Amino acid sequence: SQQGEEDPQALSIQEGENATMNCSYKTSINNLQWYRQNSGRGLVHLILIRSNEREKHSGRLRVTLDTSKKSSSLLITASRAADTASYFCATDVLEYGNKLVFGAGTILRVKS
Amino acid sequence: EPEVTQTPSHQVTQMGQEVILRCVPISNHLYFYWYRQILGQKVEFLVSFYNNEISEKSEIFDDQFSVERPDGSNFTLKIRSTKLEDSAMYFCASSRDRGNQPQHFGDGTRLSIL
Repeated sequence: SQQGEEDPQALSIQEGENATMNCSYKTSINNLQWYRQNSGRGLVHLILIRSNEREKHSGRLRVTLDTSKKSSSLLITASRAADTASYFCATDVLEYGNKLVFGAGTILRVKS
Repeated sequence: EPEVTQTPSHQVTQMGQEVILRCVPISNHLYFYWYRQILGQKVEFLVSFYNNEISEKSEIFDDQFSVERPDGSNFTLKIRSTKLEDSAMYFCASSRDRGNQPQHFGDGTRLSIL
């Protein structure tokens, strides 16, 4: 698999439930970033976690990073219909500096 | 909240024609980027730009592509002779600095080559 692979590819949940998306990568990183993309729109930055951090919170979002396993997870708690979107992880690869390498994304559908 | 703006939102061009995509990055940002997303595929890095020069480019960014910061606010991507496979969504992004800084993206320009 390539750098920045998310799973699952698609996730459908009921409003109020939690949604967990995972990301795996292959190379050393400066940081890992999560983005949201609503259909036909641009990428909205959600959260950045540095390589020396293990967990980060922002509102209903919780991101973990395990550099030994080269993996990250994004947890959205108490999901809302408005959270319906595609979610991407992107790695800022150590040797390249600010070049972001994106995964294929997880399509999240929150049913009301 | 300041945002990255891109124009046009949709550009339709005949194959072989030149096209210029425009972006206004966030005003106090120093690093600028172009990415593209072919329909149904991953977002791919094209080029990064700092201090009026390219700092990194991908294999996709061949001689048909060029970038420019013609003034203090605009950042442009030019494709000299467009091909059918250039059809994609093109995103501009900017960051305040390099290293552990989020990149902020515009809404993109959908480029359709006929």
